[in-house]
Amino acid sequence: QKEVEQNSGPLSVPEGAIASLNCTYSDRGSQSFFWYRQYSGKSPELIMFIYSNGDKEDGRFTAQLNKASQYVSLLIRDSQPSDSATYLCAVTPSSASKIIFGSGTRLSIRP
Amino acid sequence: GAGVSQSPSNKVTEKGKDVELRCDPISGHTALYWYRQRLGQGLEFLIYFQGNSAPDKSGLPSDRFSAERTGESVSTLTIQRTQQEDSAVYLCASSFIGGNTEAFFGQGTRLTVV
Repeated sequence: QKEVEQNSGPLSVPEGAIASLNCTYSDRGSQSFFWYRQYSGKSPELIMFIYSNGDKEDGRFTAQLNKASQYVSLLIRDSQPSDSATYLCAVTPSSASKIIFGSGTRLSIRP
Repeated sequence: GAGVSQSPSNKVTEKGKDVELRCDPISGHTALYWYRQRLGQGLEFLIYFQGNSAPDKSGLPSDRFSAERTGESVSTLTIQRTQQEDSAVYLCASSFIGGNTEAFFGQGTRLTVV
């Protein structure tokens, strides 16, 4: 079982709709959770981080964490073509301070 | 510095040669990470440094790979006797105090082994 799992996609969403990206993790004691966006040929950049159960909103982005289900998600409202990228879920496991990344979900926003 | 700086940006090397990749983290960041990203794949953890603690080397794929960091400064990743499967983008990231704070990435080094 991978430590961090994501559906590789591609996920195609019409412009203006809500994009929902999901991630599960195996270590129940994981402490911190991150969403990064990576454009083709570029380095990952942080979008959101969340530490506590529940929702965290920042502009058009909402991160949701459910530790009981070991599940973290990212919602993108009013999707724009510029949101087309690969979204990487990352987790800090309980045993160490390193950050482990999932393989990413490719999101495509169609005009 | 203002951001994480990696050099070189691109490196082409012949199979069997050694290569050294450099990472200069954000000033004041105590944690430094190296990842490998093959084409179309996710980020594969290689090694993690936190201050003066012993590094977490659990992700290094073979003994051909090694990394050093002196204190909270520059890190070098060395790959000996390169193989074609080592071709990838090598990404360095740093964070303020470790895995519970967000990591910021450099632009990466694209390594091609021919």
